[in-house]
Amino acid sequence: DAKTTQPPSMDCAEGRAANLPCNHSTISGNEYVYWYRQIHSQGPQYIIHGLKNNETNEMASLIITEDRKSSTLILPHATLRDTAVYYCIARSKTSYDKVIFGPGTSLSVIP
Amino acid sequence: DTAVSQTPKYLVTQMGNDKSIKCEQNLGHDTMYWYKQDSKKFLKIMFSYNNKELIINETVPNRFSPKSPDKAHLNLHINSLELGDSAVYFCASSQTQGGGYGYTFGSGTRLTVV
Repeated sequence: DAKTTQPPSMDCAEGRAANLPCNHSTISGNEYVYWYRQIHSQGPQYIIHGLKNNETNEMASLIITEDRKSSTLILPHATLRDTAVYYCIARSKTSYDKVIFGPGTSLSVIP
Repeated sequence: DTAVSQTPKYLVTQMGNDKSIKCEQNLGHDTMYWYKQDSKKFLKIMFSYNNKELIINETVPNRFSPKSPDKAHLNLHINSLELGDSAVYFCASSQTQGGGYGYTFGSGTRLTVV
């Protein structure tokens, strides 16, 4: 599975859009980009995933560059409850994978 | 209606003891995992089972032994607990064929060895 790199931390004002970047320059053609978040010490929670097209769901939007070497998770209107560690991983849907989550981006939403 | 449930949530025990953590998923997934989260917040895979068959066995001490009685259950038994085993252990499941939403995680078991 491709290695990903993310900034260690980011701040975002409440109500503003939070844009979290992820680099995955070694991603292979059959690997999807997945985003998860971990709030405090709970289990990681699935947010969104995509292959090459931009994706949107009720939680977030995912923008993937045309060369697929990087992506951005967008939380359109961040709330205090979005404060969490966000993990970006790349994996294929059918692999028996040895994915490591971490260290991710610690997002702090500030009132 | 919890999707992936693991018990206990907290476990405090003395060095040298043997303990087990249980995990059950009701999602119909064919693959289950044990992850360990260290103090630096990395979640590293320990074991993975697909339809009761061990498919991933990372470098962990052989004091850790997973057991999967059926594809909905994956338990973790730890012998002769050491201080360094203190961590949060997460169970997860996924549907390997046809992917979908990737992993679904349990809420974690915080193990403290004293």
